[in-house]
Amino acid sequence: EAGVAQSPRYKIIEKRQSVAFWCNPISGHATLYWYQQILGQGPKLLIQFQNNGVVDDSQLPKDRFSAERLKGVDSTLKIQPAKLEDSAVYLCASSDPTGTKSSYNEQFFGPGTRLTVL
Amino acid sequence: AQSVTQLDSHVSVSEGTPVLLRCNYSSSYSPSLFWYVQHPNKGLQLLLKYTSAATLVKGINGFEAEFKKSETSFHLTKPSAHMSDAAEYFCVVSGGDSGNTPLVFGKGTRLSVIA
Repeated sequence: EAGVAQSPRYKIIEKRQSVAFWCNPISGHATLYWYQQILGQGPKLLIQFQNNGVVDDSQLPKDRFSAERLKGVDSTLKIQPAKLEDSAVYLCASSDPTGTKSSYNEQFFGPGTRLTVL
Repeated sequence: AQSVTQLDSHVSVSEGTPVLLRCNYSSSYSPSLFWYVQHPNKGLQLLLKYTSAATLVKGINGFEAEFKKSETSFHLTKPSAHMSDAAEYFCVVSGGDSGNTPLVFGKGTRLSVIA
């Protein structure tokens, strides 16, 4: 079974520039999450999708961050314009909310995109 | 609201000695609890999970954790550390009582293993 795919793996931009990250979840997983992991901290949820609808975006800085999940499969996270404090690893995860008890609430993570804002 | 507190930011052990990484949780629901490991420049990997079945949970690579409701703890242990265990470990609680909720991560514990 293929895992969660993310690209690019690394990105360096100047502040005030724009950047986009892409995520392809595990096939059949209806729920998709974007997390932000700042150096030295645990990941923090930015946004959660159920199919192509937003379930929770309360932690997403909507003045500069946006995300979409067209057709309920791939997702894109965008930052425009970027700030220095956006330097972090952006993790995508997916889960199957109809999973068996053995996979209950289990999320599978991609390798992440490391963003450096100069 | 759900939260976890990892009591040590850094733990250092000698190879072959036991590992103990401590975690306390707070949850309004009957929690699902997880331990994830993150090796440098690698993705998060699930070590083990507790979902209201047996309180002693066995995971991969010889790790296990015990759910203690009375102490609201979910400490991670391993009898004998290996050099390859050096990594960042995260204690995680589910954010709600459904099978479709975000995870709430602790701040992490960096495990160093000395030869």
